[in-house]
Amino acid sequence: DAKTTQPPSMDCAEGRAANLPCNHSTISGNEYVYWYRQIHSQGPQYIIHGLKNNETNEMASLIITEDRKSSTLILPHATLRDTAVYYCIDGSGGSNYKLTFGKGTLLTVNP
Amino acid sequence: NAGVTQTPKFQVLKTGQSMTLQCAQDMNHEYMSWYRQDPGMGLRLIHYSVGAGITDQGEVPNGYNVSRSTTEDFPLRLLSAAPSQTSVYFCASSPGWTDYEKLFFGSGTQLSVL
Repeated sequence: DAKTTQPPSMDCAEGRAANLPCNHSTISGNEYVYWYRQIHSQGPQYIIHGLKNNETNEMASLIITEDRKSSTLILPHATLRDTAVYYCIDGSGGSNYKLTFGKGTLLTVNP
Repeated sequence: NAGVTQTPKFQVLKTGQSMTLQCAQDMNHEYMSWYRQDPGMGLRLIHYSVGAGITDQGEVPNGYNVSRSTTEDFPLRLLSAAPSQTSVYFCASSPGWTDYEKLFFGSGTQLSVL
């Protein structure tokens, strides 16, 4: 079973920031936070990962709380193409052979 | 750059038939894996390989075989198809070493077993 907890669905208006939360209640000190997304009928796509510092790339920003029990993926200006299921995952920083995907959050971006 | 290529995209089988789902990657990735995704569920790991000649079981390996004779290819074999194997199958690869978890996925194979 997935170790993270996410809301099953969220809505966001086009052009606004989408903030997707994730609880990592059992994350250990050396585990990383990974985010993926899956657009309908496509394979999942890696977005971003981090350990304890906030991270940003061309797709999104990742905020991790100081106790590392929760994280937030931020899509700064959501578009209709960002409608997808978003998965947060506890990883080991690259050495986990068996990445586990939960049910994720269905983000619907509305015009 | 093709990335991860899966064939076929769609397949219909009768119960008891066998078939092979093909997966190839052109990124020289060490790690490859197979997942299945059923409606309303997350992805479940079937088998994985950390390099040519090395394979291991994931969460739901029963009814499936794999082999890894080359770095590029990781076929998934259904020995005797059952309706419970109706699903969407995804192949994934990653560079391995310190980046096992940065997966690149194929576009999937939708399999129906009647």
